[in-house]
Amino acid sequence: QSVLTQPPSVSGAPGQRVTISCTGSSSNIGAGYDVHWYQQLPGTAPKLLIYVNNNRPSGVPDRFSGSKSGTSASLAITGLQAEDEADYYCQSYDSSLSGYVFGAGTKVTVL
Amino acid sequence: EVQLVQSGAEVKKPGESLRISCKGSGYRFTSYWISWVRQMPGKALEWMGRIDPSDSYTNYSPSFKGHVTISADKSISTAYLQWSSLKASDTALYYCARYASGIYYFSGPWGQGTLVTVSS
Repeated sequence: QSVLTQPPSVSGAPGQRVTISCTGSSSNIGAGYDVHWYQQLPGTAPKLLIYVNNNRPSGVPDRFSGSKSGTSASLAITGLQAEDEADYYCQSYDSSLSGYVFGAGTKVTVL
Repeated sequence: EVQLVQSGAEVKKPGESLRISCKGSGYRFTSYWISWVRQMPGKALEWMGRIDPSDSYTNYSPSFKGHVTISADKSISTAYLQWSSLKASDTALYYCARYASGIYYFSGPWGQGTLVTVSS
């Protein structure tokens, strides 16, 4: 069971906006640790998508955005495209575990 | 080009030992930490532990401590993940990932993954 809770799946039509939630606790997100997001395309290694809550690495389209509030965070994808079909993972640091933690992952399906 | 190249797929029997590798190139190997991440078939990412190649200091997830050993040989820019006695439940895809010290996310790159299959 993952420390960070994500919905198993979300879906949307091309061009739509979808959001993925990531809920933690007082020992990770609620303790002030930042949230980061990774995209894992089918059959490939994960890739950093959003870091420190709302920052995009070079090359990541601005269709992707992140936010954090309290013990939760969210990833939004606007203008959904077929190439966005992937698994998305949130990640933070947990002080009680003294290590990094991931969410269970959310599969995004483009209808 | 900065990259991490992992060793190839392995098929082992329960009880056997194994060491897989992750070779960095295109950057100063000792300036970045390396973490190992497990992905069991169809499952989520799990952080296993990390190493600072400059001094080989390690941290492990409580879930993996005592079950695996992370090491590094900075002379050949390579990090390792090893098991002394494999179990069927160790069957998974294992990734290494690079990140700078002091940050709490895996900036990358990631290795391509090493598939470990443990079966009698």
